[in-house]
Amino acid sequence: DVKVTQSSRYLVKRTGEKVFLECVQDMDHENMFWYRQDPGLGLRLIYFSYDVKMKEKGDIPEGYSVSREKKERFSLILESASTNQTSMYLCASSPEISGANVLTFGAGSRLTVL
Amino acid sequence: GQNIDQPTEMTATEGAIVQINCTYQTSGFNGLFWYQQHAGEAPTFLSYNVLDGLEEKGRFSSFLSRSKGYSYLLLKELQMKDSASYLCAVKDSNYQLIWGAGTKLIIKP
Repeated sequence: DVKVTQSSRYLVKRTGEKVFLECVQDMDHENMFWYRQDPGLGLRLIYFSYDVKMKEKGDIPEGYSVSREKKERFSLILESASTNQTSMYLCASSPEISGANVLTFGAGSRLTVL
Repeated sequence: GQNIDQPTEMTATEGAIVQINCTYQTSGFNGLFWYQQHAGEAPTFLSYNVLDGLEEKGRFSSFLSRSKGYSYLLLKELQMKDSASYLCAVKDSNYQLIWGAGTKLIIKP
C-alpha cells in the first residue's frame, strides 16, 4: 500500500512564526499536492508538484511556499503564520495527473495559529 | 465559476440504504471521484466514474449522468462504520480536481 506520512498531526504556533509541514510518500509517485480543509468548504489546493524541484500554484498559494528537493518529500512552508492559516492541512500523492489517478492522502496536520 | 454541491449532512439507519447526491458545474469533465473520510483521518478513494451509468463495488455503487451534471453514491446494508464524510470531486478540463464540501453521514442503530 502507498503510504503518505505527514510528520506532525497537531501543531500550535504563534502569529509570525515560520512553520514547516513535512510530507513523505514511499511509492515513487511523480505528483504531490498540498490541500487545506476547512469546515463547510471543499478541499482547496495550495500547491502541487509534478517532479523534483518543480512546483505549481494551486487555488490559494498566498502566504505559502513549497519545496521538493527529493521525489519522495514535499514540504509546505508558512513564512509568517497568521491566524487565518489555522486549518487542517492534507498532503497527497498520485502516480499521474490524467485519467483515473487516485490520490493517496496523509492523515493530515492540524495547525492552530494563536 | 466551478461548483460542486452535495448535502451537508444526512442521517440513516443501520441496515438501510442511503443515496448521497452530488451535482456539479465545471469547466470540462474528466471524471468524478468519491472519497470517504472518517473523522480525524485521511480521505480514502471509493469510486471513479467517467462514463454514464452505474459502477458497483460491493455495498457501494456510484452513478453518473454527464448530461445532467449529476452523480450519486449509494450505500447499501449500512453499517455503523460507514459513519463518515463523503467527498465528491470532479476533474476539470485541466485535470485539476474540484471538491465538494462533503456530506457527513450519521448512522443510527
